[in-house]
Amino acid sequence: DAGITQSPRHKVTETGTPVTLRCHQTENHRYMYWYRQDPGHGLRLIHYSYGVKDTDKGEVSDGYSVSRSKTEDFLLTLESATSSQTSVYFCAISDQGTEQYFGPGTRLTVT
Amino acid sequence: KNQVEQSPQSLIILEGKNCTLQCNYTVSPFSNLRWYKQDTGRGPVSLTIMTFSENTKSNGRYTATLDADTKQSSLHITASQLSDSASYICVVSDYNTDKLIFGTGTRLQVFP
Repeated sequence: DAGITQSPRHKVTETGTPVTLRCHQTENHRYMYWYRQDPGHGLRLIHYSYGVKDTDKGEVSDGYSVSRSKTEDFLLTLESATSSQTSVYFCAISDQGTEQYFGPGTRLTVT
Repeated sequence: KNQVEQSPQSLIILEGKNCTLQCNYTVSPFSNLRWYKQDTGRGPVSLTIMTFSENTKSNGRYTATLDADTKQSSLHITASQLSDSASYICVVSDYNTDKLIFGTGTRLQVFP
């Protein structure tokens, strides 16, 4: 998985609780991305980062925030989890914005 | 709206047989078209990337073709193996936004 780890790999949480997912890379790539994958949908971009402290919204950013204080770490936070945020979350990295390498994913269940 | 549609949704073949997966897209203009393989419980892994000027790209037993005029791509798998069982995802890069637009994938199952 190209030097990308995600934690936790599985999480079950209750509606209304905050949740933070972590993506860690050892490749020193500039770009980092958070996607969600749901049945019947292609992967959809939540947020992305083009450098430390530089982030922008993707197509499904409502209810999510991100932070990148170091090159190697990109955090995704659900401020108040809802059942519609039950999904598999993938982090990806790229160097020049071309080839993207994906992490192993985090399966999140909101009950 | 930019879309990427794949067919079939699922496919079952016997080990050793060939198969072809289809991808139609409406993204225009586009920078490149990619095919990813996603094993169950894993992240997608890139198989091929083709720019708009390329017609074909191979990666071992995987061969991707691209017809930019008809906005179609195909992924041909030769002499399938059990390890080819996975989802195959077609992805198109929007030239104007640099964003990737993902298809929903074709689920391939290879049986002995």
